[in-house]
Amino acid sequence: GQQVMQIPQYQHVQEGEDFTTYCNSSTTLSNIQWYKQRPGGHPVFLIQLVKSGEVKKQKRLTFQFGEAKKNSSLHITATQTTDVGTYFCAGPDYSGANNLFFGTGTRLTVIP
Amino acid sequence: EAGVAQSPRYKIIEKRQSVAFWCNPISGHATLYWYQQILGQGPKLLIQFQNNGVVDDSQLPKDRFSAERLKGVDSTLKIQPAKLEDSAVYLCASSAGTSVGNEQFFGPGTRLTVL
Repeated sequence: GQQVMQIPQYQHVQEGEDFTTYCNSSTTLSNIQWYKQRPGGHPVFLIQLVKSGEVKKQKRLTFQFGEAKKNSSLHITATQTTDVGTYFCAGPDYSGANNLFFGTGTRLTVIP
Repeated sequence: EAGVAQSPRYKIIEKRQSVAFWCNPISGHATLYWYQQILGQGPKLLIQFQNNGVVDDSQLPKDRFSAERLKGVDSTLKIQPAKLEDSAVYLCASSAGTSVGNEQFFGPGTRLTVL
């Protein structure tokens, strides 16, 4: 079945260090979305990437969609304690259903 | 604009009991989703509605789970009877459009504990 794996599963960084999470899909994706879930909270939409090789930036966050549209990454520069949470990538269900399939997530801890 | 509302926020029941969750999406959002999120995992889609019709319920365990969105606005998700493995957070989300590329807005979720 469809798999969307993220690595690492967990990441602890010192405040100010950079952080990257990688998302790998078993199938080609027409688009990919990224969500952030704070501890005890609910997922919040960050961004959507559509084009092959697309790069988008949001302040300290840089999102990239792979050339083959099967992988993506999220890079955070100079992490802050407010970046704490779990980051999920999500892509369209390969079965053709009009819904999202979420990745396994990367839990980020930022040590002050 | 008001977000997605869910109730209750927490529920503790014993196995074999029944439970129901309620969701009110953002006003005007045509698409409503119910997800199950087990601790440490990503949200898993249970059912998707477009207006009052079911778009996808392939992952819904229909022997015990049911959901409805009768008037195309709010929705209820029911579990009857509950099992221990149903312990999870049940998230409701809505989106304005019907395309899979539309941003989904999530509610705070209902944390269910089955004892």
